[in-house]
Amino acid sequence: GDSVTQMEGPVTLSEEAFLTINCTYTATGYPSLFWYVQYPGEGLQLLLKATKADDKGSNKGFEATYRKETTSFHLEKGSVQVSDSAVYFCALSARNTGGFKTIFGAGTRLFVKA
Amino acid sequence: EAGVTQFPSHSVIEKGQTVTLRCDPISGHDNLYWYRRVMGKEIKFLLHFVKESKQDESGMPNNRFLAERTGGTYSTLKVQPAELEDSGVYFCASSQVAGRGTGELFFGEGSRLTVL
Repeated sequence: GDSVTQMEGPVTLSEEAFLTINCTYTATGYPSLFWYVQYPGEGLQLLLKATKADDKGSNKGFEATYRKETTSFHLEKGSVQVSDSAVYFCALSARNTGGFKTIFGAGTRLFVKA
Repeated sequence: EAGVTQFPSHSVIEKGQTVTLRCDPISGHDNLYWYRRVMGKEIKFLLHFVKESKQDESGMPNNRFLAERTGGTYSTLKVQPAELEDSGVYFCASSQVAGRGTGELFFGEGSRLTVL
């Protein structure tokens, strides 16, 4: 079945460092890909998405490109801030008979030090 | 506009007891999902409602779990009797009209269940 694999954390970076969180997927169809973020004490919220191959999603300085050839959707940010400390979840969403089914990765916790 | 709300935010119960979690989706969202995250692992799908109908309940662990969505509005997830392995964070999410969009989900803050 469909699945998502993302790098294990925690990831600890200093402020202004470059961030990459790897995510790869397996899917039988053509899913949409997402990064969700969970800040401390809050629920998950959508960070960015891409709906087809070669699309780039971006938001709040984060970017991820839908790479069909490598089945990847790696999350990057050029300069992280303390406020980016959170848990990041990669996910895919594929149509099924009832609408969509979303599969999540295990999450990667990011700590950013001042 | 109110987001997805879940209640309670945290519940601590003993093995064998019953707990009922509630989710109020965003108004007008037909799709309602329940997910669970156990011990820092992946967020696992439990079930999917379209309005009041169970569209997919393939992720429900066993018959100790019962979900309902009366009238197609709020949903409840009951665990009876609770076991230790049921501990985790239960997330509810909703999305817009069935069959449209890209599958983007809107999440509540989660209900943390601790079974002692």
